[in-house]
Amino acid sequence: DTGVSQNPRHKITKRGQNVTFRCDPISEHNRLYWYRQTLGQGPEFLTYFQNEAQLEKSRLLSDRFSAERPKGSFSTLEIQRTEQGDSAMYLCASSFGGNPTDTQYFGPGTRLTVL
Amino acid sequence: GEDVEQSLFLSVREGDSSVINCTYTDSSSTYLYWYKQEPGAGLQLLTYIFSNMDMKQDQRLTVLLNKKDKHLSLRIADTQTGDSAIYFCAEIRYNNAGNMLTFGGGTRLMVKP
Repeated sequence: DTGVSQNPRHKITKRGQNVTFRCDPISEHNRLYWYRQTLGQGPEFLTYFQNEAQLEKSRLLSDRFSAERPKGSFSTLEIQRTEQGDSAMYLCASSFGGNPTDTQYFGPGTRLTVL
Repeated sequence: GEDVEQSLFLSVREGDSSVINCTYTDSSSTYLYWYKQEPGAGLQLLTYIFSNMDMKQDQRLTVLLNKKDKHLSLRIADTQTGDSAIYFCAEIRYNNAGNMLTFGGGTRLMVKP
């Protein structure tokens, strides 16, 4: 396991459709984060898991967004009834909570385009 | 505006030093990070500094921290064309639930041959 992986890398969908993204963290990492990055901006925090528990959600995460981490390993992020404003890069990161620096390592991202 | 601020753009010649600046707001942040993003890619961790340090050096990278002014900088020595990318500084914020990174808007570094 060489790093955080995300699938798919690119997703093009029509407005109103549902999409689901997957993130596989570094295997020994117990913490998993989702961020969203729009063009020309820095990433913005969406949500955070420690093991399977979702402990924090940003107010950016509307009720059309849901994230899960059912077994404390991989995570999915689903967007229902997509809107054009959802077009962005969705980044996943993981960290080992027992490390004092709690450094977050990022995956390559999933770029979503909503037509 | 963003809580973490960076200048948008920096252009240098190959072989020169680059200095990318960042100001942050949360004085309770214990770690500050620099990430690099190449076109279409995720974020690559470059280095980090603990808030009780003034300076950290890692090969061609030097991080300076002025905690009083909440100012962070990244110096890249002998800048190469492969260093062309967007550089993000980030501060870590803790709450009862856990940690989140707050990023600046990024500085686009262009290295001319």
